[in-house]
Amino acid sequence: DIVMTQSPDSLAVSLGERATINCKSSQSLLYSSNDKNYLTWYQQKPGQPPKLLIYWASTRESGVPDRFSGSGSGTDFTLTISSLQAEDVAVYYCQQCYNTPYTFGQGTKLEIK
Amino acid sequence: QVQLQESGPGLVKPSETLSLTCTVSGGSIGGYFWSWIRQPPGKGLEWIGYIYYSGGTNYNPSLKSRFTISIDTSKNQFSLKLNSVTAADTAVYYCARDSASMGWFDPWGQGTLVTVSS
Repeated sequence: DIVMTQSPDSLAVSLGERATINCKSSQSLLYSSNDKNYLTWYQQKPGQPPKLLIYWASTRESGVPDRFSGSGSGTDFTLTISSLQAEDVAVYYCQQCYNTPYTFGQGTKLEIK
Repeated sequence: QVQLQESGPGLVKPSETLSLTCTVSGGSIGGYFWSWIRQPPGKGLEWIGYIYYSGGTNYNPSLKSRFTISIDTSKNQFSLKLNSVTAADTAVYYCARDSASMGWFDPWGQGTLVTVSS
């Protein structure tokens, strides 16, 4: 199985500041046939299901604010929130969809400082 | 807009069988992969497996074949069975659609908490 490891486990950022969450996979998620990284980011607020934010490592899902961006390739990926808003408080998960079994990172809890 | 809703018992006794159903509304179940994902209280997400609308399945081998996923296209539903449950199976169970057949999930159901306890 591909192991996904996120860092940090928790993060406190001031409103309006940048938040950065990292995700590392135990093997490359880059498909050479289409040059796509099969890495997805979700946001989960308390009592709610996860919400799809970004797929293919950097493609923002329709309706997701442009302060959310994803980057990285191969085994190292980053989710960046450029200017933290109060509604961004949540747990963020990365997930590999390169192969099955699909696996998730352990989650990063983002709070307001 | 497609919506998913899980249904089933909230409490199951140890060693019994858990059965959950996901009802898809606002769109057809045809043409997609449909997954079950679970989340123990306060913990992370674990993919259980998926079923294609035509009936093909793929399970997480780490879960030791205790799960069975089935589909009823006539009812726009798919289901999950887990036999011989233990306290470790206590979790919120989500159903979700693989929106582009690429392995990411959208939308998700709201989730249903299943507690295993005598």
